[in-house]
Amino acid sequence: AQKVTQAQTEISVVEKEDVTLDCVYETRDTTYYLFWYKQPPSGELVFLIRRNSFDEQNEISGRYSWNFQKSTSSFNFTITASQVVDSAVYFCALRESNFGNEKLTFGTGTRLTIIP
Amino acid sequence: GAVVSQHPSRVICKSGTSVKIECRSLDFQATTMFWYRQFPKQSLMLMATSNEGSKATYEQGVEKDKFLINHASLTLSTLTVTSAHPEDSSFYICSASTSLAGGLDTQYFGPGTRLTVL
Repeated sequence: AQKVTQAQTEISVVEKEDVTLDCVYETRDTTYYLFWYKQPPSGELVFLIRRNSFDEQNEISGRYSWNFQKSTSSFNFTITASQVVDSAVYFCALRESNFGNEKLTFGTGTRLTIIP
Repeated sequence: GAVVSQHPSRVICKSGTSVKIECRSLDFQATTMFWYRQFPKQSLMLMATSNEGSKATYEQGVEKDKFLINHASLTLSTLTVTSAHPEDSSFYICSASTSLAGGLDTQYFGPGTRLTVL
């Protein structure tokens, strides 16, 4: 069975600091997909990134970057020069590759607070 | 693109009444929609998966007679909480995805509906 662990329940950092959110996953599939979503106080989940298991290239998007390491089953998310607007709950999620089965398994989320 | 709406955003009802929540994909056709439930400070729990024109697939422990799902078109799915009770109070979130040929797409989420049952 697949599982996603976000060990950090809550993190607080001062604005402009860098912060890394950890995500560790378990799956028996060799092909799978990993996601990060942001849930601001308004409640709506915002899609941030999708990564396929066969693509281990790290990705950078502005102040966001993702480090995917299959060897350690981790898909960590780093925000550089954090801003107050980054305050939200961040969820890591996993989907296995079974065609027609698009169920996402979510981690428990990390609540990030950026202190001005 | 990939906008999903939900209506209503917030609803308060009396115990015993039924509440219908709509989920619409605004700029794409969704072959599959998902309904989640989220309790305060907790993760999302998948309730059911609905495919257009067929019966929904419910997760273990979710009462299908209590949470009625209808996916009548490629852009609309509805969740009806029947005979709601205070323990049904929660944040309900839908998501929609499309299945591209030979591949799997990303789920895009609606803004959620906060249900409070008095």
